Amino acid sequence: GQQLNQSPQSMFIQEGEDVSMNCTSSSIFNTWLWYKQDPGEGPVLLIALYKAGELTSNGRLTAQFGITRKDSFLNISASIPSDVGIYFCAGRLSNTGKLIFGQGTTLQVKP
Amino acid sequence: DSGVTQTPKHLITATGQRVTLRCSPRSGDLSVYWYQQSLDQGLQFLIQYYNGEERAKGNILERFSAQQFPDLHSELNLSSLELGDSALYFCASSATVTNSPLHFGNGTRLTVT
Repeated sequence: GQQLNQSPQSMFIQEGEDVSMNCTSSSIFNTWLWYKQDPGEGPVLLIALYKAGELTSNGRLTAQFGITRKDSFLNISASIPSDVGIYFCAGRLSNTGKLIFGQGTTLQVKP
Repeated sequence: DSGVTQTPKHLITATGQRVTLRCSPRSGDLSVYWYQQSLDQGLQFLIQYYNGEERAKGNILERFSAQQFPDLHSELNLSSLELGDSALYFCASSATVTNSPLHFGNGTRLTVT
């Protein structure tokens, strides 16, 4: 079935570094959502993207809807310790409307 | 605060038992989703309701069932519980069934002993 490939699976970086993660698929999507999950809590919506090529920022976070509509990336600039958590992408398939989640990227930031 | 309320926050029960998890969606949201997240795993879609009707089904076991009531709150019923059912169960809501982002509650942590 359709699936999203989210990478990297985990990252361990130094405070102040920039971070980039992405989700790719062979399917076409009409919506991309990026979430962050802190331990023991529910995922929190960070950014929603609705158009191919769309580039949206939320503070130090920037996400883009790939022009092929098959991928999306999330960048975090100047990381800080509270950026620690699991980041999920989710894409809504254009043909079925089904929402698919990536497996998550675990981010650890060393002060 | 996402506006999605889940109760209880924690649940500990024995194998073979039955439990009910409750979710109140954000005000105005008509669609409710249930997800299961096992330790260090991703989010596994279980089932979706829209305005009281089942809309989509994922990897939901036959021992599990759900419903959405006229006031739009939803309940997930888990029966004949097994050790492997221990997980975080999340409810999410959205305004519509297409394109609206999902907003998640803080989950119910179920431990089956």
